[in-house]
Amino acid sequence: NAGVTQTPKFQVLKTGQSMTLQCAQDMNHNSMYWYRQDPGMGLRLIYYSASEGTTDKGEVPNGYNVSRLNKREFSLRLESAAPSQTSVYFCASIPREERGGNEQFFGPGTRLTVL
Amino acid sequence: AQSVAQPEDQVNVAEGNPLTVKCTYSVSGNPYLFWYVQYPNRGLQFLLKYITGDNLVKGSYGFEAEFNKSQTSFHLKKPSALVSDSALYFCAVYSYNFNKFYFGSGTKLNVKP
Repeated sequence: NAGVTQTPKFQVLKTGQSMTLQCAQDMNHNSMYWYRQDPGMGLRLIYYSASEGTTDKGEVPNGYNVSRLNKREFSLRLESAAPSQTSVYFCASIPREERGGNEQFFGPGTRLTVL
Repeated sequence: AQSVAQPEDQVNVAEGNPLTVKCTYSVSGNPYLFWYVQYPNRGLQFLLKYITGDNLVKGSYGFEAEFNKSQTSFHLKKPSALVSDSALYFCAVYSYNFNKFYFGSGTKLNVKP
């Protein structure tokens, strides 16, 4: 199993450009999450998807959109990138539908710089 | 508001000495508690968790953590630190009420030879 994979690993954008960060998991997990990691601020939840076909806003959703394409894939889109979105983005997933008690599995991250 | 605090940005310890990385939380209900480790340019890796039962939980790489309900703390410990333990450590709390994870800001552990 590859676990949780993310593409691309690195990306540099100019202000106003758009892009989609891809995430996929091959562990048949139901819930998937997108976080951003900024120095001194830990991980902040952008969006999450409890199951296929559902998405919900997290702590910092502004400027982002998501799509849960199927059970495996959960993408994060920046429609008009801003320098404030420079960050490291992590995708995570959880094994079972029942809530709590399960640890998240994280992807390797995407390092995004917006100039 | 739900929150997780890691009061120390950095912890320095000599190899062979015991280490403690602190975590306190303010999350409603009976939260589930986790520790993760992050090595440079890598994603977070699960270390251990507390769900219920014995307050002292053991995890990967010789780490353990003690849950203290009255102090709402979940400190990470290891009896004898290794240089290879040097990394960024995150405390996380899952709220059943909100169906979300809350992360602390992270503590950088430096173990010197």
